[in-house]
Amino acid sequence: EIVMTQSPATLSVSPGERATLSCRASQSVRSNLAWYQQKPGQAPRLLIYGASTRATGVPARFSGSGSGTEFTLTISSLQSEDSAVYYCQHYNNWPPHTFGQGTKVEIK
Amino acid sequence: EVQLVQSGAEVKKPGESLKISCEGSGYAFSNYWIAWVRQTPGKGLEWIGIIFPGDADLRYSPSFQDQVTISVDTVINTAYLQWSSLKASDSAMYYCARHNSAYGDYDAFSIWGQGTLVTVS
Repeated sequence: EIVMTQSPATLSVSPGERATLSCRASQSVRSNLAWYQQKPGQAPRLLIYGASTRATGVPARFSGSGSGTEFTLTISSLQSEDSAVYYCQHYNNWPPHTFGQGTKVEIK
Repeated sequence: EVQLVQSGAEVKKPGESLKISCEGSGYAFSNYWIAWVRQTPGKGLEWIGIIFPGDADLRYSPSFQDQVTISVDTVINTAYLQWSSLKASDSAMYYCARHNSAYGDYDAFSIWGQGTLVTVS
């Protein structure tokens, strides 16, 4: 089973500043990596797939990069509505398609 | 509108059986893999297993194999997750989620159900 490790656990960022979230895979997942945003009381929402492709309707301030074992989600200019927990997930092989433990983004 | 609608919250006792559902609408149900995901405060999001409604091809996480059963009814466009004997540790929020693209084995989840809270006590 591939282990996904996210850092940091919590990130506190001022509005308008950049937020950088990391995700590391225990072995290569090529570009088969997704990022999700989850707000309290809601289901996760797909932000990024294929490591760098924004899902439909996702604002351009969200971007993803990386391949292999190291990945980054960047929020270029943090908005108040971006306060949430962010998860990475690989989908490189069967099974399971494991998730990271999440990074909580707080507005400073 | 493409959506997955899950059955309501359940409160059960240890040892009881349970089957929760996930109905898809607004798309070709048979052509997209549907997965089940567990969420607990302690362990975050856990991938349970996945089924392709078109041919009932089924994959389980080793952690959940023999613990749950995933099935599908394509006549009513519904996927199921069931337990034969619940444990307190099964208490969690359960989500169904659909692959982003049709047919592909490996994909992200672009459509999620609203979640079903299962409490075993």
